[in-house]
Amino acid sequence: QAALTQPASVSGSPGQSITISCTGTSSDIGKYNLVSWYQQHPGKAPKLVIYEVSKRPSGLSDRFSGSKSDNTAYLTISGLQTEDEAEYYCCSYRESDTVVFGGGTKVTVL
Amino acid sequence: EVQLVESGGGLIQPGGSLRLSCAASGFSVNSHYMIWVRQAPGKGLEWVSTIHDDGSPYYPDSVKGRFTISRDTSKNTLFLQMNSLRAEDTAVYYCARVLTNWPFDPWGQGTLVTVSS
Repeated sequence: QAALTQPASVSGSPGQSITISCTGTSSDIGKYNLVSWYQQHPGKAPKLVIYEVSKRPSGLSDRFSGSKSDNTAYLTISGLQTEDEAEYYCCSYRESDTVVFGGGTKVTVL
Repeated sequence: EVQLVESGGGLIQPGGSLRLSCAASGFSVNSHYMIWVRQAPGKGLEWVSTIHDDGSPYYPDSVKGRFTISRDTSKNTLFLQMNSLRAEDTAVYYCARVLTNWPFDPWGQGTLVTVSS
């Protein structure tokens, strides 16, 4: 079950915006608007930051936003802050009640 | 407060069995889809199993036939029975609640399973 493709790392300076891509196929991202994103700090459990491509959980900063085009989903973090430094994973529903994750992207705040 | 707490991890020899538990509070495990996800040391997240609210289980090929997901409504607890364990099953195992349209929230703190002789 091939994983979704994410860049290994993305970096930016405080206050800047960064965008992480997540590329799948016509069987997952391209077919369903069921993409979610998770933030994971070292040694901690993942935390939901975006669901259904672009929706934010209640209470989450509006600096986090999501979008999708064809087979690729995107997570944008604007106004980058030091606490945003973490690993980010995308996830998509795939056919036949399965899900698939991306390989993860390490975000570094310079 | 909605919370999940995993337990049952540990060191096990190849070929052995282990049962993980995920105790839920603040909601009923039989009213939601539930999911197990694992993370090998230094690696990314990998889907392990899902159970629907009707009890239907789903697995990727990597664990099908070896792992079994189940739940106990009276204990409000999710389980993962792992048999014929291999070195490549070494990982932190997380349970999570599946919300409508497939986001996972919340997640438990994880339990480490180490398969080694």
